[in-house]
This record gives sequence, structure tokens and C-alpha cells, in this order.
Amino acid sequence: KQEVTQIPAALSVPEGENLVLNCSFTDSAIYNLQWFRQDPGKGLTSLLLIQSSQREQTSGRLNASLDKSSGRSTLYIAASQPGDSATYLCAGGSGANNLFFGTGTRLTVIP
Amino acid sequence: DTAVSQTPKYLVTQMGNDKSIKCEQNLGHDTMYWYKQDSKKFLKIMFSYNNKELIINETVPNRFSPKSPDKAHLNLHINSLELGDSAVYFCASSPSGSTDTQYFGPGTRLTVL
Repeated sequence: KQEVTQIPAALSVPEGENLVLNCSFTDSAIYNLQWFRQDPGKGLTSLLLIQSSQREQTSGRLNASLDKSSGRSTLYIAASQPGDSATYLCAGGSGANNLFFGTGTRLTVIP
Repeated sequence: DTAVSQTPKYLVTQMGNDKSIKCEQNLGHDTMYWYKQDSKKFLKIMFSYNNKELIINETVPNRFSPKSPDKAHLNLHINSLELGDSAVYFCASSPSGSTDTQYFGPGTRLTVL
């Protein structure tokens, strides 16, 4: 069974700083690795999806990497902004349409 | 236009009652899901439904049953509600299966008294 862990649980950074969020998973036979953002009281918004055959994906100031051999993924956020404040969740896609979520990292960007 | 919508947004009910949460997606996706997010914010899949194939997470009590009248809808029925059912329930959809990006609804906060 896939287990996904995210460290740290919470992170505060000053505006403008670059930061990295970490995600680790136990089963390297994942189909893909997805990063989501969740704002308080809201649903999840998909940020990036990395297929198992890919190493990284980029969207604007976001870059996500995937290393299946080490069971790790990172989400890099460049030039952070207060609007980036949210909880970031990673999820590993496995068979039978399963998506295993981590517990999230709550990011606060201080103006 | 809302891609994945859920109703109601909030649901407060007594123990033992039966309730339903509705979900609709207008994305033309083939697969729909239900997730439960507990008080510790941990998100766990409950069901996935694709072309009339239902895949159930084995940990979900049989008091929970998804019903799909058509490809655009996957409703969640809960019988004999218990205190531990209090959580936020999210519906999601994807073009096909778990290799695709999933699009989430806004969630339904269920409180069982």
C-alpha cells in the first residue's frame, strides 16, 4: 500500500523567497505524482502532474520533480507571493484509479 | 462555469439519519471519485467509478453507497449516519483513470450530531 509523507507540515517564508516543498512515497510503482493546492474551506486545485516516465514539469513559477528510485518529489516555488499561501498536497497515483495523498504542507508567505 | 459541483455545501444532521450528497461534472470526464477529508485534513479515496465499474476502497463501510444515474453524476448516499462520519467530502473527476489530472469539487462539510 502506498504511503505518502510531506515534510514540513508547515512553512513560513518572507515574500520573494524561493522555496521547496518535499514529498516522499513508499511504492515506486506509481503511475504519476500530482501536486495540488488547497485554500481554506475550498476544494483542491491541480497544479502539476508528472507521469511516471517524466522527471519534471513546469508551470509558471512552479516546478515539480519526480525521482521514482528514491521515492521523492519536490515542488519548487520561485519568487513566492502572499497569494501562494495555501496548503500544498502531493498525491501518488496507483492502480485501480487510486490516488494516495500526503498530509500536506501549510505554506504562509509573509508580505 | 463550474466544472465539478457538489450540493449541499453544508449538511448538519442527527445520528442515525440517511443523507445524500450530489455531485455533477460538466467536463465530459469518464471517471468520478469520492474522497473523505477528516479533521486532521487527511484526504482518502472512498470510491472511483468509471463506465459503470465501481472500485471501492475496502475500508469504506457499506453504509456508504455511490449511485451514478449517468456519466456526469455520482451521488453519495450514507445510511445510518454516525458521529465519525463527520468530515468534508469531496467529489472529483478525471478524463479516464488515475493517470490523469483530477478536478475537485468545492466539498461538502458533513456534521453529524
